[in-house]
Amino acid sequence: LAKTTQPISMDSYEGQEVNITCSHNNIATNDYITWYQQFPSQGPRFIIQGYKTKVTNEVASLFIPADRKSSTLSLPRVSLSDTAVYYCLVGEWSNYQLIWGAGTKLIIKP
Amino acid sequence: DVKVTQSSRYLVKRTGEKVFLECVQDMDHENMFWYRQDPGLGLRLIYFSYDVKMKEKGDIPEGYSVSREKKERFSLILESASTNQTSMYLCASRGGGALGEQFFGPGTRLTVL
Repeated sequence: LAKTTQPISMDSYEGQEVNITCSHNNIATNDYITWYQQFPSQGPRFIIQGYKTKVTNEVASLFIPADRKSSTLSLPRVSLSDTAVYYCLVGEWSNYQLIWGAGTKLIIKP
Repeated sequence: DVKVTQSSRYLVKRTGEKVFLECVQDMDHENMFWYRQDPGLGLRLIYFSYDVKMKEKGDIPEGYSVSREKKERFSLILESASTNQTSMYLCASRGGGALGEQFFGPGTRLTVL
């Protein structure tokens, strides 16, 4: 099973681009990479999912290099409301083998 | 708007009590999950269910059991609560297929005294 490692915490400022990297050296061929956001007193919320190269949606981008041993969640022009914990999840659903990272606490300062 | 609801936001129980945590989803999802979340440990899967009356152990099933009698409802049971089961419990649901997100409930903060 892939083990996921991500930084415990990060700080940034409003208007900056923030990149959070997740390491998953043992990722399997069929594994997908998914990122979730969690605010205090709420359950995690899906942000983005990808398999390789780059995926972009209205809130974030996900960069996955060719070897897929890491992935980077990119949040453009963050605001105070982006202060949250971000989780990386690696795995595949066909066999329910899923590994969650421990989460990165992102604090955005004015 | 999709929704996963949990029966309680906060719960205080005593050691040895039997505890029921209820989860209901309105998305007709096949898959439902129970996680516990502790500081520094992220989310750990307790049990999941991929169909009515079906259940599978996750990473930390000891001390827990589950029940899924109806598609929309997934219950987590602590047969005899212990202080080390004090935690945040999160329920999630998901449709089928290789892709797709889990939808989480707001969580139940359980304290066992």
